[in-house]
Amino acid sequence: EVHLVESGGGLVQPGGSLRLSCAASGFNFNIYWMTWVRQAPGKGLEWVAHIKPDGSEERCIDSVKGRFSISRDNAKNSLYLQMNSLRAEDTAVYYCARDGGFYKFDSWGQGTLVTVSS
Amino acid sequence: QSALTQPPSASGSPGQSVTISCTGTSSDVGAYNYVSWYQQHPGKAPKLIIYEVTTRPSGVPDRFSGSKSGNTASLTVSGLQAEDEADYYCCSFGGSKVFGGGTKLTVL
Repeated sequence: EVHLVESGGGLVQPGGSLRLSCAASGFNFNIYWMTWVRQAPGKGLEWVAHIKPDGSEERCIDSVKGRFSISRDNAKNSLYLQMNSLRAEDTAVYYCARDGGFYKFDSWGQGTLVTVSS
Repeated sequence: QSALTQPPSASGSPGQSVTISCTGTSSDVGAYNYVSWYQQHPGKAPKLIIYEVTTRPSGVPDRFSGSKSGNTASLTVSGLQAEDEADYYCCSFGGSKVFGGGTKLTVL
C-alpha cells in the first residue's frame, strides 16, 4: 500500500526557515515525479513544486522562487521542501503527492501545517 | 495567470445528479486529455476520483463520471449521497496554474 507521511511543519516567525520531509513507502519511489501542494486556511489547493524521479529537474511557482527548494533522496525514499524567508502568506497545510503521470496525483500524505506568524 | 475556473458552489438533493464545470484554455484543458478531479472532505487530504478526463481509479463509485468539451471539463455526480458533500477540485496538465479554485458541493 502506498504511504506518504509529511513532517517538519510548525510555527515559525516571518523570515524564518523550515524543512519539510515526506517519507514514502509501498511503491518504487525512484520512478515517480513527486510534488508539493499547499492549502492555505479556508482556501483551495495550490501546486507548489515538483521534482523529476532522478532529481535532475525541478520547477516551482513564481511566488516561492528563490525562497523554496525541492529535493529528494531516493536512497531514503524521501522528499523534501526547504523553505526560507517565510512569509505570512506561506501559512498553509503542505501535502506531498505522488504524480502518476501528467499531473495525476494518485496518492497524498496527510499534510503538515506551517504557520508563519510573529 | 488565472487558475482553472470552477463555480464556487453546487448543490443537489439525494438521488439527483449534479455537474461541476472546470473551464481552462486551449493551453491546458483544451490541449490535453489529462484532466483529473479530486474530492476533499473537511480536514482530510484530497483524493483522486477521476483522471485522464473520464477514468475512475479502482474503488471510486461509478456515480462519478468525467467529460470534456473544448476548453471545459466537467464532473458529474449521479445519485447524490450524503457522503458526496465535499470540496471538488479539477486539475489539468499544461497550464501554469494546475488546480481549479474548487467547488463546494452541498447535498440538501
